[in-house]
Amino acid sequence: IAGITQAPTSQILAAGRRMTLRCTQDMRHNAMYWYRQDLGLGLRLIHYSNTAGTTGKGEVPDGYSVSRANTDDFPLTLASAVPSQTSVYFCASSDSTDTQYFGPGTRLTVL
Amino acid sequence: AQSVTQLGSHVSVSEGALVLLRCNYSSSVPPYLFWYVQYPNQGLQLLLKYTSAATLVKGINGFEAEFKKSETSFHLTKPSAHMSDAAEYFCAVSDRAGGYQKVTFGTGTKLQVIP
Repeated sequence: IAGITQAPTSQILAAGRRMTLRCTQDMRHNAMYWYRQDLGLGLRLIHYSNTAGTTGKGEVPDGYSVSRANTDDFPLTLASAVPSQTSVYFCASSDSTDTQYFGPGTRLTVL
Repeated sequence: AQSVTQLGSHVSVSEGALVLLRCNYSSSVPPYLFWYVQYPNQGLQLLLKYTSAATLVKGINGFEAEFKKSETSFHLTKPSAHMSDAAEYFCAVSDRAGGYQKVTFGTGTKLQVIP
């Protein structure tokens, strides 16, 4: 089934640990995004990538990094997790009509 | 800078009643406007979008929205609510700034349908 997959589904992480959230799409979309969703705040953009080999910072990039080695994969890394990074993380891609397609999300708890 | 305001974080309607979810936006350029729906423990799914064609946009599951430039609004409606419509709905505005699609989401409206 075409779409976006994310892994893991959920994770509990000790503060200070490094964590990579995985995102893979099979729709051959050029643009990909990482959002975090927090209660009452909606979705906020962390990082984006317009095409393979390029990335950019979104609204809340601090503490996160991304890479885009190929079209399909867009991993998000927390170098040293902090409790304020407890959130639900969504990966998305967009097509030429600007419609965004979202993955099922990763629920991350940092203790 | 673009922004989206959704009036009402929670809306309750009776099954069969009209659904009206409000969204106002601001944008410095002609916007693309979207409504997404999120069911529990799932990602967002596109419900409908406005991209400067017809001002009345029809989406999936019987939803529609009307773009009103003079009111900077893009309210979502459905004539008759169904239990399966219970979900969280997000309005979003999009333009291209700095070479990428910048999408700003509202804070969401949770729709409860009462049997």
